[in-house]
Amino acid sequence: GDSVTQMEGPVTLSEEACLTINCTYTATGYPSLFWYVQYPGEGLQLLLKATKADDKGSNKGFEATYRKETTSFHLEKGSVQVSDSAVYFCALRLGSNDYKLSFGAGTTVTVRA
Amino acid sequence: KAGVTQTPRYLIKTRGQQVTLSCSPISGHRSVSWYQQTPGQGLQFLFEYFSETQRNKGNFPGRFSGRQFSNSRSEMNVSTLELGDSALYLCASSPTGYSGANVLTFGAGSRLTVL
Repeated sequence: GDSVTQMEGPVTLSEEACLTINCTYTATGYPSLFWYVQYPGEGLQLLLKATKADDKGSNKGFEATYRKETTSFHLEKGSVQVSDSAVYFCALRLGSNDYKLSFGAGTTVTVRA
Repeated sequence: KAGVTQTPRYLIKTRGQQVTLSCSPISGHRSVSWYQQTPGQGLQFLFEYFSETQRNKGNFPGRFSGRQFSNSRSEMNVSTLELGDSALYLCASSPTGYSGANVLTFGAGSRLTVL
């Protein structure tokens, strides 16, 4: 079945460090890919998305490129801030006959000042 | 524009009881999905509704049920609660849900504790 594998956490970084969270997927069709972020005590917020191969999603300094050849959608940010501390989820959605999001396990990121 | 509203935000129940959670989607959104989030299992899909019809269901026992009303508001119900049902229940809405690119907007969740 369709699945998403994220790198294990937790990840602890210093402010202004580079962040990369690896995400790979297995899907029978051509999924849309998403990164969601969850801050403490809150629901999920969409961070960025990509709907086809080679698309790059970007938002708030975060970027991820849909790589069909490696079935990957790695999240990157060049310089993190303390406010980026959160749990990050990679997800996929096929859409045509399947309306659910399949999530990775989540990666907890802590940024220290 | 109001977001997705879930009520109640927190609740405590005892084993064997039942619970009903409510979700009001973003105005104009007709698709509502429900997810369960636990530390052990992560985020798992429960079910999705569109125009009062359940279109997709996750792998959960029949104790978990839901419905959608004509105004797109949705409720989910869990009967005969078990300790393992303790979780954050998240509701998400999207405009139609037909396209894989349709973005799901999540509510803040209802945190259920079963004692």
